[in-house]
Amino acid sequence: GESVGLHLPTLSVQEGDNSIINCAYSNSASDYFIWYKQESGKGPQFIIDIRSNMDKRQGQRVTVLLNKTVKHLSLQIAATQPGDSAVYFCAEAQGASYDKVIFGPGTSLSVIP
Amino acid sequence: DAGVTQSPTHLIKTRGQQVTLRCSPISGHKSVSWYQQVLGQGPQFIFQYYEKEERGRGNFPDRFSARQFPNYSSELNVNALLLGDSALYLCASSFRLLNEQFFGPGTRLTVL
Repeated sequence: GESVGLHLPTLSVQEGDNSIINCAYSNSASDYFIWYKQESGKGPQFIIDIRSNMDKRQGQRVTVLLNKTVKHLSLQIAATQPGDSAVYFCAEAQGASYDKVIFGPGTSLSVIP
Repeated sequence: DAGVTQSPTHLIKTRGQQVTLRCSPISGHKSVSWYQQVLGQGPQFIFQYYEKEERGRGNFPDRFSARQFPNYSSELNVNALLLGDSALYLCASSFRLLNEQFFGPGTRLTVL
């Protein structure tokens, strides 16, 4: 069936470096994507979203890139900090009213001080 | 402002029992969604409710049911519990269907 998945299950980066987390999706009809951060013992936290009529969106220290041709999403975190250590999920909103959110398996980001 | 709250935080049940989990959305939010997160995996969508009506359902058996009350709080019920139902159950609220979702801390259910 259709699904959202990630290329790398774990990622270790040095503090201050930039991080890139990748995600592949298989439903070419999807047009709304979200990145979430989940820290241990907490629920997922919204980071940034993007709709298919855009290929790039920037937030505070984060940038999401969307490549619809190859059905690929990425999350870039600039100047990664220890507080960025968490599991990151990409998610795809499906349904006529985006009433169903499908999460990928997650990438664990570990920041080395 | 209070975020999404869920109760209880932890729950232990035995196979065959029934469980009810509760969620209170952020004040003013009219949409509530439920997710199941098995350890080491991403959350799996169970239900979404908006204005007290079911608007979406994931691939879960009929043992799972939910409802939303006039004050927009919600309950998730699971009947005839199986060992595989052990998971973190997350509730998320949003103002409207297409809005950013805010997640609660979850209820950790263990089925023995």
